[in-house]
Amino acid sequence: QMQLQESGPGLVKPSQTLSLTCTVSGGSISSGGYYWNWIRQHPGKGLEWIGHIYYSGSTYHNPSLKSRFTISVDTSKNQFSLKLSSATAADTAVYYCAREKRGDDLLDYWYFDLWGRGTLVTVSS
Amino acid sequence: DIQMTQSPSSLSASVGDRVTITCRTSESISNFLNWYQQKPGKAPKLLIYAASSLQTGVPSRFSGGGSGTDFTLVISSLQPEDFASYFCQQRFAAPFTFGPGTKVDI
Repeated sequence: QMQLQESGPGLVKPSQTLSLTCTVSGGSISSGGYYWNWIRQHPGKGLEWIGHIYYSGSTYHNPSLKSRFTISVDTSKNQFSLKLSSATAADTAVYYCAREKRGDDLLDYWYFDLWGRGTLVTVSS
Repeated sequence: DIQMTQSPSSLSASVGDRVTITCRTSESISNFLNWYQQKPGKAPKLLIYAASSLQTGVPSRFSGGGSGTDFTLVISSLQPEDFASYFCQQRFAAPFTFGPGTKVDI
């Protein structure tokens, strides 16, 4: 049973770089057929999709977030990562990593079927 | 970006009630619409994909419908474990966006 686990500092100072890692266990990130995603949720608010990466390294970052995020993958460690430059208080949120897969019967349809537990990152001096 | 709205933003209901949540998108997305349930302090859980397909293991009291710009999530008989927040998500065009959520409480 595949599982995802986020890790990283819970507190980041303003203007610093926020770095998070998602470790995939119970399966290989290189097996293909999945997109690996970062999603955040501001306290008491809705969900915001940050972007995703395929095991090959192909990525898509949400342009609404003004290119401050970088998603990368390390297949040798079975991990993918998120970096956010120039963090501000507005980046305080719970950050989730999530697996996106296509429907077994509906191959054109993708959905987030597996999530990490989430990690709260607070940006504060 | 495709904008998402949900109504109502919150509702109070009782066990056994039929609950309907609506999701609207700013442009047509065919049926590339997913629904998630989230309980406090937990990650979201997939309920419905492709607007109406029930995820494996999700109780049949949950159902989804709609296409184009208007979608619904229906809980036919609300159970105690269904008190949670519900989010729709479009997977038609990147960046993929979520609705603001509907909180269902007692």
